[in-house]
Amino acid sequence: NAGVTQTPKFQVLKTGQSMTLQCAQDMNHNSMYWYRQDPGMGLRLIYYSASEGTTDKGEVPNGYNVSRLNKREFSLRLESAAPSQTSVYFCASSEAPVPEAFFGQGTRLTVV
Amino acid sequence: GENVEQHPSTLSVQEGDSAVIKCTYSDSASNYFPWYKQELGKRPQLIIDIRSNVGEKKDQRIAVTLNKTAKHFSLHITETQPEDSAVYFCAASRNTGFQKLVFGTGTRLLVSP
Repeated sequence: NAGVTQTPKFQVLKTGQSMTLQCAQDMNHNSMYWYRQDPGMGLRLIYYSASEGTTDKGEVPNGYNVSRLNKREFSLRLESAAPSQTSVYFCASSEAPVPEAFFGQGTRLTVV
Repeated sequence: GENVEQHPSTLSVQEGDSAVIKCTYSDSASNYFPWYKQELGKRPQLIIDIRSNVGEKKDQRIAVTLNKTAKHFSLHITETQPEDSAVYFCAASRNTGFQKLVFGTGTRLLVSP
């Protein structure tokens, strides 16, 4: 019973490099989310996908793109990484009417 | 959009004391208020939640209260234990068929033996 799985767990990038964070859930949830967590800032929503085939911007979308590949997978792409994108990234999923959001284990990204 | 403020940012208590964390929200249409606990290096996990049609909810040593008129809600932990040490996040959302949660900035709770 894996729940929400993120890869990789750790990553160091140089400024300007690109990468994709992967997220997969095995709970058959319709909705998926990407958050970033910074000290003193809590969890801020980057993008979300209310259902397969739809994606929308959250609170802090600049510098990111997403793809809802299928119902299970929701990826986050950094096209040109910047030091300001150093953060811990969490993927989450949920399914109405149960409101609980289930989080992945996080990806710690450092941009140097 | 919704804005959630959380206080205090840090809270230190002695084992056995009670701890209270408070949050305020701005969107009067929000109707779902969960609390998440995040242990060091781990993922956030739901510990308790409350919907707008309820004023209080309890689960063993933890309880949440909601005042819709004042737009604030609180987490109460009684008889604190060292394993309660963690960062706690409040959140708010509208129930639109999915949960686009807006989180507070977190409270680091330290329970000393």
